[in-house]
Amino acid sequence: AQSVTQPDIHITVSEGASLELRCNYSYGATPYLFWYVQSPGQGLQLLLKYFSGDTLVQGIKGFEAEFKRSQSSFNLRKPSVHWSDAAEYFCAVGGRGSNYKLTFGKGTLLTVNP
Amino acid sequence: DAGVTQSPTHLIKTRGQQVTLRCSPKSGHDTVSWYQQALGQGPQFIFQYYEEEERQRGNFPDRFSGHQFPNYSSELNVNALLLGDSALYLCASSLGQGYYEQYFGPGTRLTVT
Repeated sequence: AQSVTQPDIHITVSEGASLELRCNYSYGATPYLFWYVQSPGQGLQLLLKYFSGDTLVQGIKGFEAEFKRSQSSFNLRKPSVHWSDAAEYFCAVGGRGSNYKLTFGKGTLLTVNP
Repeated sequence: DAGVTQSPTHLIKTRGQQVTLRCSPKSGHDTVSWYQQALGQGPQFIFQYYEEEERQRGNFPDRFSGHQFPNYSSELNVNALLLGDSALYLCASSLGQGYYEQYFGPGTRLTVT
């Protein structure tokens, strides 16, 4: 069975500081990996995805993530956080073959201090 | 380019009632997945519809059922509502069965009293 762990429930950073959100997954083969962002009362917006190839993937809004197979991790990073980045961030894993569902972590709430 | 739309936005129901939620996929998409997001949790997969058939189902009871129409829109039905069914219900659309780049709608907030 596939699963995702986001170890940090809540992270607070200052505007302009760098950010790293952690994500660990469990899956028997190479997974599909995603990061989504959810603003209050909104649906989820796809930030970036990893399917194969280059393990460093670039996304929207200046975010990037690195797939590390040896650590079963897919951490999200941003070099300089903006106040508008405050939101909840979800890491998700998708299987291959006939497994169509996305499995999400419980999310990390990001607060940005001015 | 219209994104994923869901209706209604909010809904209040009483225990034991039935509810129907609706979803229109993003233009060009043919696959619809439904997720339940309880407060403070990540979304949980309910089921996926492709070619008007349920292709995969998560760990949800038979009280949760769905339908996909020829225009690819979809409905989620929940019977015999329980207080624990209170959640944000998210619809996601994608292109093709098994293609995982899913685009989400804004959700329907269901409150069961």
